[in-house]
Amino acid sequence: DVKVTQSSRYLVKRTGEKVFLECVQDMDHENMFWYRQDPGLGLRLIYFSYDVKMKEKGDIPEGYSVSREKKERFSLILESASTNQTSMYLCASIPSRGSGNTIYFGEGSWLTVV
Amino acid sequence: GENVEQHPSTLSVQEGDSAVIKCTYSDSASNYFPWYKQELGKRPQLIIDIRSNVGEKKDQRIAVTLNKTAKHFSLHITETQPEDSAVYFCAASPPYSGGYQKVTFGTGTKLQVIP
Repeated sequence: DVKVTQSSRYLVKRTGEKVFLECVQDMDHENMFWYRQDPGLGLRLIYFSYDVKMKEKGDIPEGYSVSREKKERFSLILESASTNQTSMYLCASIPSRGSGNTIYFGEGSWLTVV
Repeated sequence: GENVEQHPSTLSVQEGDSAVIKCTYSDSASNYFPWYKQELGKRPQLIIDIRSNVGEKKDQRIAVTLNKTAKHFSLHITETQPEDSAVYFCAASPPYSGGYQKVTFGTGTKLQVIP
């Protein structure tokens, strides 16, 4: 069974703090993604990576960066957290680069910035 | 890029009734359309998907239909049960063309099944 694990489920951070959200998948998936989920806005892609050390901007990359030093781990970084980054963050992975693959999501990380 | 619109945003049905959620997409090249269910506090999980060479697919009480000409697809849930209460997301994906598989999600439908 595919497992995508987000290490932090609930975080409360102060404005200006640097925040790290970690994601690990155990099935050797090439593609990994970070989405942000907000009510009424669905799932919006922040960044993705299709290989180690590779990263590409998604639809809403401003204020975020990512790191993928190992194939199984994809980190989302908020350099200086702001209140408008309060949200639920979902990590996801896809097995390969072909079309029509199931997306496997992590449990989500609820971030509150005060 | 692809744009996926999903309606309605909320839907309440009586237990046993049917529920229909509709999505439209803009990119005629999209050929893969998955549906995800997200229960409260849990991760989204794939419940059914359809590819553009098929017009309809059914799995027990769940079915998805696709109209490529009109660029819309729908999720049908029959004989709804309280455990069907969740947020449902549609998505559209074009053929893989190098780099990564881009998936665009709809904004979600919150389905409430009233016992």
